[in-house]
Amino acid sequence: QKEVEQNSGPLSVPEGAIASLNCTYSDRVSQSFFWYRQYSGKSPELIMSIYSNGDKEDGRFTAQLNKASQYVSLLIRDSQPSDSATYLCAVIKAAGNKLTFGGGTRVLVKP
Amino acid sequence: DGGITQSPKYLFRKEGQNVTLSCEQNLNHDAMYWYRQDPGQGLRLIYYSQIVNDFQKGDIAEGYSVSREKKESFPLTVTSAQKNPTAFYLCASSIRAGNSYNEQFFGPGTRLTVL
Repeated sequence: QKEVEQNSGPLSVPEGAIASLNCTYSDRVSQSFFWYRQYSGKSPELIMSIYSNGDKEDGRFTAQLNKASQYVSLLIRDSQPSDSATYLCAVIKAAGNKLTFGGGTRVLVKP
Repeated sequence: DGGITQSPKYLFRKEGQNVTLSCEQNLNHDAMYWYRQDPGQGLRLIYYSQIVNDFQKGDIAEGYSVSREKKESFPLTVTSAQKNPTAFYLCASSIRAGNSYNEQFFGPGTRLTVL
């Protein structure tokens, strides 16, 4: 089992719809969770961080964390073509400070 | 301008050569990291450093070496021992908060190709 798992996609959503991305992690004691957006050929850009159970909203993005079920999700509301990118989930374990990445989910927003 | 810079943007290496990738940050961040990304895959940690003159191996350190002589600089050498070095190399940094290093911010990357 991979430490951080994501569906590779592509996740195709129509413009204006909600894109829902999921990420599961294997280490129950993981503490910090991040979502990065990566455009093709570019470096990852941090878009959300979440540390406690529940929802965290920032503009059109909402991160949801459920530690009991060991998953973290990202919702993108009112999806735009500019949201087309690969979204990387990353987790920091409690025992160290290394960031472990999932393989990423490719999102395609169609006009 | 605050940020993380990497150079060069593109690098070509002949087999048997060592090459060094530069990473500099002026964010006053304590920790710095090197990752490798292969096409269609996530990032894998090569080396990281939490303080000057100290660094630790990540998950795929074989064939790579690093140094951390200054807080703002963390160069990565890809040695001839690395059998499949063609990849996108990303440098990141993070600030220390208590005993944790949380959000990591990335430089623009160096794309290395072996000829």
